[in-house]
Amino acid sequence: DTAVSQTPKYLVTQMGNDKSIKCEQNLGHDTMYWYKQDSKKFLKIMFSYNNKELIINETVPNRFSPKSPDKAHLNLHINSLELGDSAVYFCASSHIQGDTEAFFGQGTRLTVV
Amino acid sequence: AQSVTQPDIHITVSEGASLELRCNYSYGATPYLFWYVQSPGQGLQLLLKYFSGDTLVQGIKGFEAEFKRSQSSFNLRKPSVHWSDAAEYFCAVAPLGGFGNEKLTFGTGTRLTIIP
Repeated sequence: DTAVSQTPKYLVTQMGNDKSIKCEQNLGHDTMYWYKQDSKKFLKIMFSYNNKELIINETVPNRFSPKSPDKAHLNLHINSLELGDSAVYFCASSHIQGDTEAFFGQGTRLTVV
Repeated sequence: AQSVTQPDIHITVSEGASLELRCNYSYGATPYLFWYVQSPGQGLQLLLKYFSGDTLVQGIKGFEAEFKRSQSSFNLRKPSVHWSDAAEYFCAVAPLGGFGNEKLTFGTGTRLTIIP
């Protein structure tokens, strides 16, 4: 069983389109994250949700809108895609407290053309 | 604010040689410390972690790391690398006690190349 799963794995789309990336975790974690990895491999947090509530919202264009229907899911919707949105997006989950680590999904490689 | 520095962008090592990847952190207290590995086209896999206790921690795939409070370092080591160790390695920190309202902060990564 995959602990943190993202779909799709690859996404190629044209500028201006709207797209969504889905993430699900079956670890019973209460916190989920979206990270963006740019072309230089730098990983930067975008959002964090705890029990469906937004707790971290870094400086991200409001074209990006996360949605957490329940604590096992955190989807990322992106409106009006731009070339600079091309990156690998990673979903992760963890417990919010305690000795724990974050578990990552396989990533979604988004290419905007 | 917490930060992580990995001074080596790219390291090349011969197969069978020893390896040390450097990581320095900046944080008000002792944080939680992690090393993740990302193989080409893959996600992030946890190699090892330090929360407390013994400052030398063992991880998967024969890796170990040593936490040195005086140097604010958490360097990753392996005595003998294998060709399959070629990957991108990330050091990361999180606040002591769990993530809370903070986040897992990553270094910029070190790309490891293995030569025969």
